[in-house]
Amino acid sequence: EIVLTQSPATLSLSPGERATLSCRASQSVSSNLAWYQQRPGQPPRLLIYDASNRATGIPPRFSGSGSGTDFTLTISSLEPEDFAVYYCQQRSNWVTFGPGTKVDL
Amino acid sequence: EVQVLESGGGLAQPGGSLRLSCAASGFTFTSHAMSWVRQAPGKGLEWVATVSDSGDRTAYPDSVKGRFIISRDNSKNMVYLQMNSLRAEDTAVYYCAKRKGLYLDYWGQGTLVTVSS
Repeated sequence: EIVLTQSPATLSLSPGERATLSCRASQSVSSNLAWYQQRPGQPPRLLIYDASNRATGIPPRFSGSGSGTDFTLTISSLEPEDFAVYYCQQRSNWVTFGPGTKVDL
Repeated sequence: EVQVLESGGGLAQPGGSLRLSCAASGFTFTSHAMSWVRQAPGKGLEWVATVSDSGDRTAYPDSVKGRFIISRDNSKNMVYLQMNSLRAEDTAVYYCAKRKGLYLDYWGQGTLVTVSS
């Protein structure tokens, strides 16, 4: 089973700041990695797939990069609605999610 | 508009059974695999099951294999999760989600399953 680790566990920032979230896989997942956003009381929402492609309707302030074992989600300038938990997910070997990074004020 | 709506959650006793349903609309149902993902209270996401677009292939993690069964009825645009031999650790919100390639692009609001005596 491929294990995903995310860092940091919590990221405390202010609106307008840049957020950089990391996801590391225990073995290569090529580019088979996605990022999801989950706001309180809401289901997850697909943000990025195949490591760097924005999903439908996702604003350009969200970007993804990386391949192999190291991946990054960047939010260029935080909006109030971006304070949420972010999960990475791989599908190279079964389906696993990372433990999440909480972006809070 | 794509819609995914779960139902069937509730309270079940340890060792008991529960069947969840998922109604999908707004897309070509027969062209997409469907999955269930759960989230225990205050915890992260755990994949539970996937059924292929035709329904002939299924997959489960070890944590539910042999206890849970996913199925679909393509004539009704429905997905089901039969959960047997329930344990306290199965307590979670269960989400039904549409697969797009390797990922999950539309999720329902979830249904809460509580396993307790």
